[in-house]
Amino acid sequence: NAGVTQTPKFQVLKTGQSMTLQCAQDMNHEYMSWYRQDPGMGLRLIHYSVGAGITDQGEVPNGYNVSRSTTEDFPLRLLSAAPSQTSVYFCASRRGTAEEQYFGPGTRLTVT
Amino acid sequence: GQQLNQSPQSMFIQEGEDVSMNCTSSSIFNTWLWYKQDPGEGPVLLIALYKAGELTSNGRLTAQFGITRKDSFLNISASIPSDVGIYFCAGRPLYNNNDMRFGAGTRLTVKP
Repeated sequence: NAGVTQTPKFQVLKTGQSMTLQCAQDMNHEYMSWYRQDPGMGLRLIHYSVGAGITDQGEVPNGYNVSRSTTEDFPLRLLSAAPSQTSVYFCASRRGTAEEQYFGPGTRLTVT
Repeated sequence: GQQLNQSPQSMFIQEGEDVSMNCTSSSIFNTWLWYKQDPGEGPVLLIALYKAGELTSNGRLTAQFGITRKDSFLNISASIPSDVGIYFCAGRPLYNNNDMRFGAGTRLTVKP
């Protein structure tokens, strides 16, 4: 098992550009989530999904879109990047209501 | 929002010393979790707590779910150099079991 994989590892965008952060898991987990991590603030939940076709907003959803067309993939879209979205982004997955949540290695995004 | 206040922000200790860190909130949480994050990686779950008053150990780590359901602590006994990292508390709010809030983290440095 590869676990949770994220691509790319690093990305630099200009303000106004769009991009998609990819996340995939091969553990057949129902739950997937996206977090952002900023210095001194811990992780904050952006969006989550409890299964294919079902998504919901977390604590900081503005500026981000998600979809879940398959169990394995949960991409995060930035439609018009802003400097405030400079952060490290983590994708995570877990099985059902189990608390063991597996995190990907992260994507470091810089918006100039 | 459902903010978690984690303290201390950082700790510098000698190998062999015990460590204690805690997390408090003004809101009630259903579940308290403690994670460790190494540089360049995603957080890894250390301990999960589900009931008020619960005390759980994982090797040299011990954590407790506060009676009021608004706080939790993590103790590390006899620290070793590989304990270095950032420790995060996290909790699932009473109103939404799919949401998760994180503290800002405690950065632990262990001097050999």
